[in-house]
Amino acid sequence: NAGVMQNPRHLVRRRGQEARLRCSPMKGHSHVYWYRQLPEEGLKFMVYLQKENIIDESGMPKERFSAEFPKEGPSILRIQQVVRGDSAAYFCASSPDAAGYTFGSGTRLTVV
Amino acid sequence: DQQVKQNSPSLSVQEGRISILNCDYTNSMFDYFLWYKKYPAEGPTFLISISSIKDKNEDGRFTVFLNKSAKHLSLHIVPSQPGDSAVYFCAATRGGADGLTFGKGTHLIIQP
Repeated sequence: NAGVMQNPRHLVRRRGQEARLRCSPMKGHSHVYWYRQLPEEGLKFMVYLQKENIIDESGMPKERFSAEFPKEGPSILRIQQVVRGDSAAYFCASSPDAAGYTFGSGTRLTVV
Repeated sequence: DQQVKQNSPSLSVQEGRISILNCDYTNSMFDYFLWYKKYPAEGPTFLISISSIKDKNEDGRFTVFLNKSAKHLSLHIVPSQPGDSAVYFCAATRGGADGLTFGKGTHLIIQP
């Protein structure tokens, strides 16, 4: 049983481009969470999704950021028109029942 | 406003001794607390947790203590081993489907 898979592991984007980060939860897990870790900071909650539904997006920046978890396929965190301040490690976690998180290895986004 | 605080950015402990990592929180609605361990370029790994109805939880070399009146918890590792060198994050949640609120982490260094 594979763990939470995130890809790509590293993503480099120029300012103004779009970044798409993918997260495949563990088999049987229907709850997905996205977190962002800025340098020298702890992980900050961004959004909590279940299949086809956004449950809590209180940590998402109001503009340029969106997330989805479609019925089929991975969860996607999308950042439009990236800026240097978006450079961070983005972690996805999944759980079967809104508890007992398992984290992926993260995607490190660098905006140049 | 930092609701979960880890005031020691780093801690150095000799191998075989006890490591004590501290965490304070301000939100009295938090009722479940977790400790995660993180190596560079990897996602956080769950270590141990405690519910607010308990004051102690033990798992092998790891023990978490919770002092609700002081809004303080600590992680004890004994005996400390070289493989324990990592960044340790304290996290809290109101339970249910809420996302986790993380502290900034403490970098534990175990010296031979």
